[in-house]
Amino acid sequence: AQSVSQHNHHVILSEAASLELGCNYSYGGTVNLFWYVQYPGQHLQLLLKYFSGDPLVKGIKGFEAEFIKSKFSFNLRKPSVQWSDTAEYFCAVNPFNTGNQFYFGTGTSLTVIP
Amino acid sequence: NAGVTQTPKFRILKIGQSMTLQCAQDMNHNYMYWYRQDPGMGLKLIYYSVGAGITDKGEVPNGYNVSRSTTEDFPLRLELAAPSQTSVYFCASSSQTGGRYEQYFGPGTRLTVT
Repeated sequence: AQSVSQHNHHVILSEAASLELGCNYSYGGTVNLFWYVQYPGQHLQLLLKYFSGDPLVKGIKGFEAEFIKSKFSFNLRKPSVQWSDTAEYFCAVNPFNTGNQFYFGTGTSLTVIP
Repeated sequence: NAGVTQTPKFRILKIGQSMTLQCAQDMNHNYMYWYRQDPGMGLKLIYYSVGAGITDKGEVPNGYNVSRSTTEDFPLRLELAAPSQTSVYFCASSSQTGGRYEQYFGPGTRLTVT
């Protein structure tokens, strides 16, 4: 079955540590890719998106993600995390041939310790 | 521009009761979605709509109904509430430009069925 996998379910880091969250998907063909962040008690907000072009995309708050087509991956990175980055992070895939359908990973909970 | 709004924010239902979760968007988006979010499970699509008068089932539609009489509104109806419907419900809408879809989420409704 087609899916979106986030292998890290819960990550705990100290402030200033570097972050990398994995996202792999199994859809063939062209895809649009997204990372969303959900702060405690809030709704999902878009961190960054990839549609085409440069596979390294930069988002808000110092986050970036790299699309590696050959690995079906779209990993999220941040060089130095802050306590305020504590949140849940969701990867989402919009396969081009499905039109408006979005498929979400199960999320990664990030806790940053001051 | 309020974006996507949802009411109520919280609700407790008894088993067998029914209710409607309201969702509205003021961005003139054709596409609207209802998701439920359960711990560790990510977001599951309940229903979606590609325009006024057109709705379709998502991954987990059982126990729910929707209607889309206007572009702005997309209410979700629970007819006979069950404990399994305890969840957080998110409404979203998406823009579409040249095959590129981007979703915007509402603040969510936390529903408890006891």
